Amino acid sequence: DQQVKQNSPSLSVQEGRISILNCDYTNSMFDYFLWYKKYPAEGPTFLISISSIKDKNEDGRFTVFLNKSAKHLSLHIVPSQPGDSAVYFCAASSGNTPLVFGKGTRLSVIA
Amino acid sequence: EAGVVQSPRYKIIEKKQPVAFWCNPISGHNTLYWYLQNLGQGPELLIRYENEEAVDDSQLPKDRFSAERLKGVDSTLKIQPAELGDSAVYLCASSPGPQETQYFGPGTRLLVL
Repeated sequence: DQQVKQNSPSLSVQEGRISILNCDYTNSMFDYFLWYKKYPAEGPTFLISISSIKDKNEDGRFTVFLNKSAKHLSLHIVPSQPGDSAVYFCAASSGNTPLVFGKGTRLSVIA
Repeated sequence: EAGVVQSPRYKIIEKKQPVAFWCNPISGHNTLYWYLQNLGQGPELLIRYENEEAVDDSQLPKDRFSAERLKGVDSTLKIQPAELGDSAVYLCASSPGPQETQYFGPGTRLLVL
């Protein structure tokens, strides 16, 4: 049973437009959420996080939105750049429990 | 600041052979993690260390996998004997503490033939 779901395996967006990556979770105990970006042959790189006490966190071109009632979070990238092309993983945790990762969404930003 | 270092980056072995992976975490990071990532999946935790103590190894297949973190710094993950299904990427991560952001190494890609 997957506790963190990224239902879109891939997404293509034109350069300069907005990229929206979605993530759903089933465990209502999760209280901390993160997004990681992964390039080929590299390990995941931390991108942005959000605590359950917030509904939005912004860092430059990246914004994460959390909707606790819907158990849904999304990552917005504006404007999208070719260098953003990577696999994006959503992850969640609660208390001292391990991070649970989704399967990832491959973003392709087309110039 | 140097990141998490892992070696080797790639390893090809025949089934039933042993294999070991090494990880050196970011300096000062007390928490170290080993993850398994299968193709098309997200990372899955195998074991977590707080200093030299393994505090969560519930997902480590202990019949063939073992890990150690002597002196609470670098760590080794071993598989003996390897099976075909062990082909995957083995990621090491570290964080200053258990609730803090994890930083990943580049991983070791294992292929078992």
